[in-house]
Amino acid sequence: QVQLVESGGGVVQPGRSLRLSCAASGFTFSSYGIHWVRQAPGKGLEWVAVIWYDGSKKYHADSVKGRFTISRDNSKNTLYLQMNSLRADDTAVYYCARWGLQSSIDYWGRGTLVTVSS
Amino acid sequence: QTVVTQEPSFSVSPGGTVTLTCGLNSGSVSTSYYPSWYQQTPGQAPRTLIYNTNTRSSGVPDRISGSILGNKAALTITGAQADDESDYYCLLYMGSGIYVFGTGTKVTVL
Repeated sequence: QVQLVESGGGVVQPGRSLRLSCAASGFTFSSYGIHWVRQAPGKGLEWVAVIWYDGSKKYHADSVKGRFTISRDNSKNTLYLQMNSLRADDTAVYYCARWGLQSSIDYWGRGTLVTVSS
Repeated sequence: QTVVTQEPSFSVSPGGTVTLTCGLNSGSVSTSYYPSWYQQTPGQAPRTLIYNTNTRSSGVPDRISGSILGNKAALTITGAQADDESDYYCLLYMGSGIYVFGTGTKVTVL
């Protein structure tokens, strides 16, 4: 079955960097685009970034543009999110999610918590 | 800045019907935005309900449906059950690779 497992979350100081990973299994990873979505504590879902199946195109939300970078390694079935210049308002659970039919999301990971605090 | 608006909360009686909407602060929502809908209970990852305006995801019962109502996307739940009590989010594809989630609606069944 489709599985997406995020890792790499934790507590980090403002201004520092962190890299999240998402390990995929149960499907042909190199055939699907993948999203990052985040959710701050007690808040709604926020779309963060998406990467094409082959890594040829990447798009980021304005709130993270220039600070976060989505990437993937299809040989390792793994998605990444490099987060630089972290701020307190980046504190959230970060989900990876598979690009589904007609610009939707069809499968979600369980998320990894990132806390930005001094 | 694009804002996708949803009702903050709705209350529905067991067995009742509720319609949630998803609108844009500027303009109308159409099928061209490929609206999709997600259900989330506290502490859990979201679950996909509807994609491409009105197509149910696998395993979603037919008492849950999607549509365009006027200038908004809509999610209708009929025969509400206790396990429908959740947060619901719409997602719109804005074009040029950009997506935006709605503000979310908390549905209470009582």
